[in-house]
Amino acid sequence: KQEVTQIPAALSVPEGENLVLNCSFTDSAIYNLQWFRQDPGKGLTSLLLIQSSQREQTSGRLNASLDKSSGRSTLYIAASQPGDSATYLCAVNGNDMRFGAGTRLTVKP
Amino acid sequence: DAGVIQSPRHEVTEMGQEVTLRCKPISGHNSLFWYRQTMMRGLELLIYFNNNVPIDDSGMPEDRFSAKMPNASFSTLKIQPSEPRDSAVYFCASSHSSGNTIYFGEGSWLTVV
Repeated sequence: KQEVTQIPAALSVPEGENLVLNCSFTDSAIYNLQWFRQDPGKGLTSLLLIQSSQREQTSGRLNASLDKSSGRSTLYIAASQPGDSATYLCAVNGNDMRFGAGTRLTVKP
Repeated sequence: DAGVIQSPRHEVTEMGQEVTLRCKPISGHNSLFWYRQTMMRGLELLIYFNNNVPIDDSGMPEDRFSAKMPNASFSTLKIQPSEPRDSAVYFCASSHSSGNTIYFGEGSWLTVV
């Protein structure tokens, strides 16, 4: 059974800092990996989808990488802003879609 | 497109009552997922459908839970009888085939007292 782990569980940074969120998974037989953002009391919003054949995807200040062989993905956020404060979840799509527990990010003004 | 639509958004019910949660996936999507989110256990996949057929229901906690998808535009998740430990946010999500971006609804916030 696929296990997905996200480190750190919580992160607090000052505005403007670049940061990296980590996601690891145990079974490398995946179709893709997806990063989501969840604001309090809301659903999940898809940020980036990386297919298993890809190494990275970029959208604005976000860059996600995937190393399938080592079972790792990172989400890089450049020049963080207070509006980036949310919980970030990674989801690994293999036989089904398994989520990590998330990283709760706080960006302080 | 309006996105994945779930109802009700919030429900408070008494223990023992039947609860029915509803979901309308994005038009054209053929995969539908039901998730449950709690502080203790995070996001758990309960069941998913492909082309209206249940593919994997191994995440359904027990026989009190059942899910149906009678057509491509509607699915229900039913809990009967409900218990306080069922209190959680239940999300419905859909995608266009496996391997594509999955879109979530806003969730149904269930409290069983």
